[in-house]
Amino acid sequence: DTAVSQTPKYLVTQMGNDKSIKCEQNLGHDTMYWYKQDSKKFLKIMFSYNNKELIINETVPNRFSPKSPDKAHLNLHINSLELGDSAVYFCASSQVDRNYGYTFGSGTRLTVV
Amino acid sequence: RKEVEQDPGPFNVPEGATVAFNCTYSNSASQSFFWYRQDCRKEPKLLMSVYSSGNEDGRFTAQLNRASQYISLLIRDSKLSDSATYLCVVDGGLDDKIIFGKGTRLHILP
Repeated sequence: DTAVSQTPKYLVTQMGNDKSIKCEQNLGHDTMYWYKQDSKKFLKIMFSYNNKELIINETVPNRFSPKSPDKAHLNLHINSLELGDSAVYFCASSQVDRNYGYTFGSGTRLTVV
Repeated sequence: RKEVEQDPGPFNVPEGATVAFNCTYSNSASQSFFWYRQDCRKEPKLLMSVYSSGNEDGRFTAQLNRASQYISLLIRDSKLSDSATYLCVVDGGLDDKIIFGKGTRLHILP
C-alpha cells in the first residue's frame, strides 16, 4: 500500500507543451508539498498546501500551478515547458506541525527536449 | 552563512568504520531538524529526527547544538548498505521555510 504515490514516473515531452503530474497520499496527512530536485541533486521546495490551502509558495515561475482538489491530492500543472524544467519532481506529505518529518513519493523524472 | 550547509563529500570509508557528518544552519529560530537518506534515483527517506538532547537509533546517533547552530549524524560500524547521500533538513516552523542541505555522499568500501 503506497503511502504517497505520484504519476507518471517518467515524462518526456517537447518544449512548449503543457503537462500535469498527479499526487495522492493515503496517510491522512493535512499538508502536501511539491519539491524539485535538479541535475545537481539540490532538493528545493516549490509549494506547500495545508488542507487545500496554499501556505508556502517559493519563487517559482507562474507557469507552475498546483491544484489541490482535496487534502489527499495535490497535482502540479506546468505550462509552456522549458528545457530548464527538466528535473525530478517529488510530492511529499506531512502532519500539520511537521514534527515527524515528511514522506516522499517516488518522484517523476521530467525530461524536456 | 548559507541557509543550510553540508560537506558534499564524497566520504569514502571502509566497512566497519565510524563516520560523522555535520550540518550548519543560519536561522536561529528553526524549529525542527531531520536527517534524510537518499539512494541513487530514489526518493529521500527519513532517517531520524534530531533533538537537543541527542537521540540514538541503533548504529545512528544524531545531535543538535542550538548555540552553535549545527546538527550532526554519527554512524557506527558502517555497513555497505549505508552507502547513500545523507541530507540535513532544517524546518523553520509553520510560517517559515523547509530547507534541505545539498547532501553528503557516503561510500562504504568493502
